[in-house]
Amino acid sequence: EVHLVESGGGLVKPGGSLTLSCAASGLSVTNAWMTWVRQAPGKGPEWVGRIKSKPDGGTSDYAAPVKGRFSISRDDSINTLFLHMNSLKSDDTGVYYCSTEESAAGKNWGQGTLVTVSS
Amino acid sequence: DIQMTQSPSSLSASVGDRVSITCRANQNIRFFLNWYQQKPGRAPKLLIYHASSLQSGVPSRFSGSGSGTDFTLTISGLQPEDFATYYCQQSFNTPFTFGPGTKVDIK
Repeated sequence: EVHLVESGGGLVKPGGSLTLSCAASGLSVTNAWMTWVRQAPGKGPEWVGRIKSKPDGGTSDYAAPVKGRFSISRDDSINTLFLHMNSLKSDDTGVYYCSTEESAAGKNWGQGTLVTVSS
Repeated sequence: DIQMTQSPSSLSASVGDRVSITCRANQNIRFFLNWYQQKPGRAPKLLIYHASSLQSGVPSRFSGSGSGTDFTLTISGLQPEDFATYYCQQSFNTPFTFGPGTKVDIK
């Protein structure tokens, strides 16, 4: 059974940085397509970005609002996915979820971690 | 980016009702359409992918149809645990945009 656990959220000032982690079990992050989705308070989900599996090239794509500020990486040795977030803005506030992408859909999801950007 | 709309934005229904939710894309996305269910404080849960393929473990009362730009999620025989918000998502092109959601509550 696939299990994803996000961590690293918290309160950060505008302009600050934060790195979120997504620890995976039941699958190899090296061989999986992985996605980050966020959800602002009271709003719908927003796709943030994804990284392809290493066998499929390992490239990443990002939504326009985060492109150039956020990046996705993984550490195969600890089977963990990361979301590195820089130049944070108040609009980046929300719950951040990692998920696996299979058949172009978010199949398995973590419980989410809350990021609050505020002075 | 591909824009997604949903209708209605909310609906009230009773247990046992047949409920349909519509999703529309502003360009042809073929069959690359997913449906999720979300309950408060929980992550979205995948119900349907590729417009009409039922995700493993999801009850058969959920079904999806459509292709191109117009899609429908149908719940045949609403159950108490189905009261939630439903989102469509296109996966034809990144960014994989979501619809604004349809909240299904108890009449």
